[in-house]
Amino acid sequence: AQSVSQHNHHVILSEAASLELGCNYSYGGTVNLFWYVQYPGQHLQLLLKYFSGDPLVKGIKGFEAEFIKSKFSFNLRKPSVQWSDTAEYFCAVNAAYTGNQFYFGTGTSLTVIP
Amino acid sequence: DAGVIQSPRHEVTEMGQEVTLRCKPISGHNSLFWYRQTMMRGLELLIYFNNNVPIDDSGMPEDRFSAKMPNASFSTLKIQPSEPRDSAVYFCASGPARGTEAFFGQGTRLTVV
Repeated sequence: AQSVSQHNHHVILSEAASLELGCNYSYGGTVNLFWYVQYPGQHLQLLLKYFSGDPLVKGIKGFEAEFIKSKFSFNLRKPSVQWSDTAEYFCAVNAAYTGNQFYFGTGTSLTVIP
Repeated sequence: DAGVIQSPRHEVTEMGQEVTLRCKPISGHNSLFWYRQTMMRGLELLIYFNNNVPIDDSGMPEDRFSAKMPNASFSTLKIQPSEPRDSAVYFCASGPARGTEAFFGQGTRLTVV
């Protein structure tokens, strides 16, 4: 079945540690890829997106993600996390042949300890 | 722009009652999505409209759920009758064009007791 997989369900890091959250998808063909963040009690907000071109995408708040087509992956990274990065992170895929639906992974809960 | 506006923000209702959730998408957006978020199942796509037409409602859990989009600026998600297992946060999102981005509303937290 087609899906978006986020392998890390809960991640706990100390401030200044580096972050990498995994995302794999199983949709074929042309895909648009997204990372959203949901701070406690808030709605989802876009961190970054990839449509085409440079597979290394930079987003807001120092986040970046790398699209590796051969691995069907779009991992999120940040060199040095802050306490304020504590949130839920969602990977999402929009595949051309499925229409305009956005399919989300189950999310990764990140807790940053001061 | 005020963003995607959902109402109410919180709803508490008794089992068996009808619940109507409302969404005003961002002006000019032609795609609208309804999602349900729970701890157990994460974010589930319920239904997707494009140009006010339902394109994919395969995520609607059962006949108790219905969604309408009578015009480009308004959509509703109705649950009748409601059940405790419907308790969740319901998000509406809109998008400007195919696959570009989805902008989310603040969500409606529904509690069915």
